[in-house]
Amino acid sequence: GQNIDQPTEMTATEGAIVQINCTYQTSGFNGLFWYQQHAGEAPTFLSYNVLDGLEEKGRFSSFLSRSKGYSYLLLKELQMKDSASYLCAVIPGDYKLSFGAGTTVTVRA
Amino acid sequence: IAGITQAPTSQILAAGRRMTLRCTQDMRHNAMYWYRQDLGLGLRLIHYSNTAGTTGKGEVPDGYSVSRANTDDFPLTLASAVPSQTSVYFCASSDRGDGANVLTFGAGSRLTVL
Repeated sequence: GQNIDQPTEMTATEGAIVQINCTYQTSGFNGLFWYQQHAGEAPTFLSYNVLDGLEEKGRFSSFLSRSKGYSYLLLKELQMKDSASYLCAVIPGDYKLSFGAGTTVTVRA
Repeated sequence: IAGITQAPTSQILAAGRRMTLRCTQDMRHNAMYWYRQDLGLGLRLIHYSNTAGTTGKGEVPDGYSVSRANTDDFPLTLASAVPSQTSVYFCASSDRGDGANVLTFGAGSRLTVL
């Protein structure tokens, strides 16, 4: 099977920056997604990386290093509404998307 | 509003009963998926369908079956429910089935098997 690791929980203060790391070991690699999931709701798409480097989208950025099997999601200028779970998902060689267990981020005032 | 509709939203079921979770999408997506989400385990793929008329097994298919008679509908059936199938079930769809496409998720169906 695929192995995707991310921290279980993180806490940060409103206005701060938080970096959520994701490491993976998969059979082949065809890209990596980050999804956001608020409690009791469906996951929603945040970002997609297939090439090495940083993808910036407003307050959120995602980085990928394929050689290191590593990605991070950077959340800047944290807001209370950013309190959610963040799911790292990898597309392996067989294209069956595989999710990590998710990182719950709590933003404190 | 375009998207995915799941039903029921929540259900309590006695062990041994048969249950079908319904999923309908109106985006004309080719691929559809069923995931279960359990605390600490994340989303795990149960079954998928890359196009109408075809289905495939995911990571945790045992105890579940699916059908894809048309593009829009992808029901998930538990033939004889067991307590370990207590979970939140998410249906999802994507334009293509090669996995390099954004998934759109339904709101989820919370199932409790007693």
